[in-house]
This record gives sequence, C-alpha cells and structure tokens, in this order.
Amino acid sequence: KQEVTQIPAALSVPEGENLVLNCSFTDSAIYNLQWFRQDPGKGLTSLLLIQSSQREQTSGRLNASLDKSSGRSTLYIAASQPGDSATYLCATGTGRRALTFGSGTRLQVQP
Amino acid sequence: DGGITQSPKYLFRKEGQNVTLSCEQNLNHDAMYWYRQDPGQGLRLIYYSQIVNDFQKGDIAEGYSVSREKKESFPLTVTSAQKNPTAFYLCAILWGYAGELFFGEGSRLTVL
Repeated sequence: KQEVTQIPAALSVPEGENLVLNCSFTDSAIYNLQWFRQDPGKGLTSLLLIQSSQREQTSGRLNASLDKSSGRSTLYIAASQPGDSATYLCATGTGRRALTFGSGTRLQVQP
Repeated sequence: DGGITQSPKYLFRKEGQNVTLSCEQNLNHDAMYWYRQDPGQGLRLIYYSQIVNDFQKGDIAEGYSVSREKKESFPLTVTSAQKNPTAFYLCAILWGYAGELFFGEGSRLTVL
C-alpha cells in the first residue's frame, strides 16, 4: 500500500527566502504526483501536477520535481511571501482510482 | 458559476443522528470522490464513483454511505454507525487524462 510522507511537518522562514518542501513515497509505480495548497478551514487548491513521464513542472514562483526511482518529489518556492503561508500537501496517484495524501507541511512566512 | 459546491459549510449533529453532506458539480465530470480530513493529518478516501449508479469503497468507508443517481451529484451520508464523525469532509472531481484532482470548499461536521 502506498505511503506518502512529508517532512518537515512545519516550517517557518523569513520573507524572501527560497525554500524546499519534501515529499517521499514508497511505491514508485505512480501515475502522477500532485501538490496542493490548503488555507485554514478551506478546501485544497491544486498547484502543480507532474505526470509519471515528467521530471518537473513550473508555475510562477513554484517548481515541482519528481524522481520516481528514489520515491521523492520536491516543491521549490522562490522568494517566499507572507501570502504563501499555508499547508502544502502532496499526493500520489497510482491509477484512476484516487490519490494517497501526505500529512502536509505547514508553512509560515514571516514578514 | 461553475465548479464544485459542497453544502452545508458547517453542520452540527447530535450523537445517533444520520446527516447528509451535499456535493454538486456542473463540470460534467464522471469521477467524484469523498475524503475525510482530521486535524494535522492528510486526507483519507471514504468513497468514490467513476460513473452514475456505481461507487466503490475507499479506505475508511465504514459508517458512511453514498449514492450516485445523477452525474452532477454525489451525496455522502454519515450514519450513526460512524464512531468518530467529527471531521472536515472534502468532495473532489478528477479532471482529464492526467488525473488532476479538484476540490470543493469542504464541510465541517461536529458531533455534539
């Protein structure tokens, strides 16, 4: 059964810093990997999706990479801003069934 | 206004009562999902449906029931058999060949 782990569970950084969030998974036979953002009391917002044949995806200040062989993905946030403060979750899909989620990294960007 | 609509946003229930959470989508997508989220934890799959009149149990289906009579609607009933129902419930649809998941705003259920 797929297990997804996100470390650290919480992170606090000063504004302007570049940062990396980590996601690891146990089964490398994934269909895709998706990164989400969740604000308190809200649903999840899709940030980036990497298909199994891809190595990375970029959107604005965000870059997500995927290394299936090592079971790892990273989300890179450039020039962090206080508005980036949220919980970031990664999830892997092993088919059309559903995604398996990590517990998330709670990010606080200090002004 | 398009998208995924969940209602109610907040719901309080007395022990022993069944409650139904609504999830409606006007995006014409086949696959719909229900997830549960507990504080500080990731999401766990309750039920999913890939076509009308068909649905499958997820990892934590005990104490829950669903129906899929219409493509646009996938309601979740939290029954009295669910021992710890207080949680945040999220409905989602699967988009496109790449399998991207999009979520509603969620429903927070509190058992008094």
